[in-house]
Amino acid sequence: GDSVTQMEGPVTLSEEAFLTINCTYTATGYPSLFWYVQYPGEGLQLLLKATKADDKGSNKGFEATYRKETTSFHLEKGSVQVSDSAVYFCALSDPGGYQKVTFGTGTKLQVIP
Amino acid sequence: DAGVIQSPRHEVTEMGQEVTLRCKPISGHDYLFWYRQTMMRGLELLIYFNNNVPIDDSGMPEDRFSAKMPNASFSTLKIQPSEPRDSAVYFCASSPDRGSKTQYFGPGTRLLVL
Repeated sequence: GDSVTQMEGPVTLSEEAFLTINCTYTATGYPSLFWYVQYPGEGLQLLLKATKADDKGSNKGFEATYRKETTSFHLEKGSVQVSDSAVYFCALSDPGGYQKVTFGTGTKLQVIP
Repeated sequence: DAGVIQSPRHEVTEMGQEVTLRCKPISGHDYLFWYRQTMMRGLELLIYFNNNVPIDDSGMPEDRFSAKMPNASFSTLKIQPSEPRDSAVYFCASSPDRGSKTQYFGPGTRLLVL
C-alpha cells in the first residue's frame, strides 16, 4: 500500500539557517504530494502541494519539488525563523478513488534565536 | 468561512463514561475525516465519509468507537465505554471535492480519560 517516510526529528536549527526535511514515498501511479504544518495546540494546515512530476510547490518561503525518479518530496527553506517552529508532515494521496491521504510520522522543527 | 469547528476543545472524563465529540465541516465540503493523534502512534485515520456515507472505517480501533454523519453539516465520534488508552487529540477534517485532495483540519479535541 501507499506509504510516506520522513526523517526523524527533532530538528534543531539556529535562526536564519537552511532547512531540509527529507520525505520519500511509495505509491502506485502518480500521487499528489503535500506538506502540512502543525503549530503547537493547533490542527494541521496545508503548507504546499504538488500534483505531478517536476512540479514545485511553494509557500511562505518553503519549497518542495516532486521528484518521481527518486520518489521524493523534500521540504526546504533558505532561512528559518523562530516562528517556523512546528511539526511538519509529508503526505500523499492516491490519484484515483476517494480523498484518503496517507501521512508521514511528522518531523518536529525547533528554531532557536 | 469559519473553518472546521470541533467541540468540545477539551474533555476530561472517567474510565467507563461515554464521550461524544462533535464536528461541523466547512460548508460545501463533500468529505469528512476523523483522526486520532498520540505521541506513540502519531496521526491515525479512524474513519471517513463521503456525502454523509461512511467509506472506510478500518481505522476504528474497536467496537467501543462509533461515528455518524446524519447530515452534511454535522458529525459525531462516540466512545462508549471510554478507557485511559483513548486519551489523545481527536481531529476532524473536511475536503471540498475529489480533485482537490486538500484537507482542512479543525483545532482538535483533547481527550483525557482518567
